Amino acid sequence: LAKTTQPISMDSYEGQEVNITCSHNNIATNDYITWYQQFPSQGPRFIIQGYKTKVTNEVASLFIPADRKSSTLSLPRVSLSDTAVYYCLVGEEAAGNKLTFGGGTRVLVKP
Amino acid sequence: ETGVTQSPTHLIKTRGQQVTLRCSSQSGHNTVSWYQQALGQGPQFIFQYYREEENGRGNFPPRFSGLQFPNYSSELNVNALELDDSALYLCASSLDVRGAGGRTGELFFGEGSRLTVL
Repeated sequence: LAKTTQPISMDSYEGQEVNITCSHNNIATNDYITWYQQFPSQGPRFIIQGYKTKVTNEVASLFIPADRKSSTLSLPRVSLSDTAVYYCLVGEEAAGNKLTFGGGTRVLVKP
Repeated sequence: ETGVTQSPTHLIKTRGQQVTLRCSSQSGHNTVSWYQQALGQGPQFIFQYYREEENGRGNFPPRFSGLQFPNYSSELNVNALELDDSALYLCASSLDVRGAGGRTGELFFGEGSRLTVL
């Protein structure tokens, strides 16, 4: 089963770019990589999903190298409201749709 | 707003009791999954239901059981509550897209039910 590893925490400042890397060495051929954001006492919220190379939407970019053993979530020009926990998630359809959240990365954005 | 509602939002039980948590999925979604999130940790997958049938299960004992109804709403039942069952229980609905080559549909989470076992 694919397992993800992320840094426990990261600090940044308003206006900076934040890059969070997730390792998933055992990712399966058909698995997608998805990132979620979670604020305290709320359910996680979808940010972005990708399979390979680069995906960009209005809030983030996702970079996935050719071997797909890692991925990097990039948050451009963060604000204080981006302070949250960010989870990297690898879909495991082969294992009966058992979706595994890692420990997440706590991002603190400072003024 | 994700369109996923959970009830109750908070509840307190004592060890050995039973609890039922409820979830209303977003309209049009055919899949629901349940997660347990202990304080300071990531959500842990309990199980998933697709069109009223269990479609995957995490490492939780049989006293954790569930149901999905024809309208795709869902229940999580936990019997013989233990102190370690105290957690935030999250429900997520999605539209299964397995025909798209393994892509996991976007999960829409509710706000959760916070269970305290004394």
